[in-house]
Amino acid sequence: QQPVQSPQAVILREGEDAVINCSSSKALYSVHWYRQKHGEAPVFLMILLKGGEQKGHEKISASFNEKKQQSSLYLTASQLSYSGTYFCGTESQGGSEKLVFGKGTKLTVNP
Amino acid sequence: DSGVTQTPKHLITATGQRVTLRCSPRSGDLSVYWYQQSLDQGLQFLIHYYNGEERAKGNILERFSAQQFPDLHSELNLSSLELGDSALYFCASSVAQGFGPQHFGDGTRLSIL
Repeated sequence: QQPVQSPQAVILREGEDAVINCSSSKALYSVHWYRQKHGEAPVFLMILLKGGEQKGHEKISASFNEKKQQSSLYLTASQLSYSGTYFCGTESQGGSEKLVFGKGTKLTVNP
Repeated sequence: DSGVTQTPKHLITATGQRVTLRCSPRSGDLSVYWYQQSLDQGLQFLIHYYNGEERAKGNILERFSAQQFPDLHSELNLSSLELGDSALYFCASSVAQGFGPQHFGDGTRLSIL
């Protein structure tokens, strides 16, 4: 079951904040976040395991709400370099042994 | 530079043909993953190998197969190609045994005419 990402697209001015959500209908074991710039390969941001932990990477952090089966990616004081498409990937509990990615959220940061 | 090498970068072929995509993982990484990325399907996990053994299968078609060799490089074989197989195929590698942090190669763009 593919996770649902929202919003599909967001446009920011430099310095503004954004939140990208990733929701699943299945009980999750982990959530993975990647950023892909146009014409480039995806780049790993972070992995969150069940337990509701929050992790950070530069000014980008994320949380995992196990009860809601939802993860949120927080981008604070956005920079031009944050532009790209953000994908969440989910592993379900119960040994599905698959990593299923959402359709992505396109983030554009303008000067 | 992620350290993951994929060849070729571009491949143009016809329907019904067979192609082989190659991936060399980062030094020290034992896991290799293959993904297909198309505009309408997004990033789709195909298959995962760890130290030569198949560990997980995603939505990989029966016409597709892969293997990881003793030197840890991997090949993805696509046969009886159809127009719908046109996509960007990524290989990624990781030190993890499961789905850990992955480093992606630049991809192979496959175009079926």
